[in-house]
Amino acid sequence: EAGVVQSPRYKIIEKKQPVAFWCNPISGHNTLYWYRQNLGQGPELLIRYENEEAVDDSQLPKDRFSAERLKGVDSTLKIQPAELGDSAVYLCASSRPAAGLIGNEQFFGPGTRLTVL
Amino acid sequence: LAKTTQPISMDSYEGQEVNITCSHNNIATNDYITWYQQFPSQGPRFIIQGYKTKVTNEVASLFIPADRKSSTLSLPRVSLSDTAVYYCLVKGNYQLIWGAGTKLIIKP
Repeated sequence: EAGVVQSPRYKIIEKKQPVAFWCNPISGHNTLYWYRQNLGQGPELLIRYENEEAVDDSQLPKDRFSAERLKGVDSTLKIQPAELGDSAVYLCASSRPAAGLIGNEQFFGPGTRLTVL
Repeated sequence: LAKTTQPISMDSYEGQEVNITCSHNNIATNDYITWYQQFPSQGPRFIIQGYKTKVTNEVASLFIPADRKSSTLSLPRVSLSDTAVYYCLVKGNYQLIWGAGTKLIIKP
């Protein structure tokens, strides 16, 4: 099966500029995750979708970050305006619906490396 | 809120068994434990997952004691290609808690 697709792979912008990341999950995966990963650290969940609904956005900095998942498939994560501290890798992952206590394995895309100058 | 703690780094040699332990003292009853592997410039990749006791697949084993306050990922007979960062992830109903990762370096 095709994997999670993310674009762009790299993005360099100046601070205060807007930026958007796109993710296409694996077909049939209704759960979609956006993570931010700083150098040398583990992924930090920004938002999780179940179909079109954002079920966990508690860690999303809502003053400058926004996300959408129209039609429950593709998703876009936006930052406006970007700050120097937003430089990181932004990862998208998707998973099948969980079955009871059996966890849902997350499949990750390659990420978008954002550099804010 | 569950929190995970893992060693920052570990070294081993080809052919050895490597065990990486993750502490998750506040794990909830319905949390399960998952381990991921990450290579540079790639997203994490699923290794193994478990809820209690022992789970084994073709690449690793996962040991979870009865109190479930820790878990140990066991990699048998490692090779140079196992050099990567390993993360434990605890997931409850609506919380995803990633460890900071253990950088494993395998030497020839």
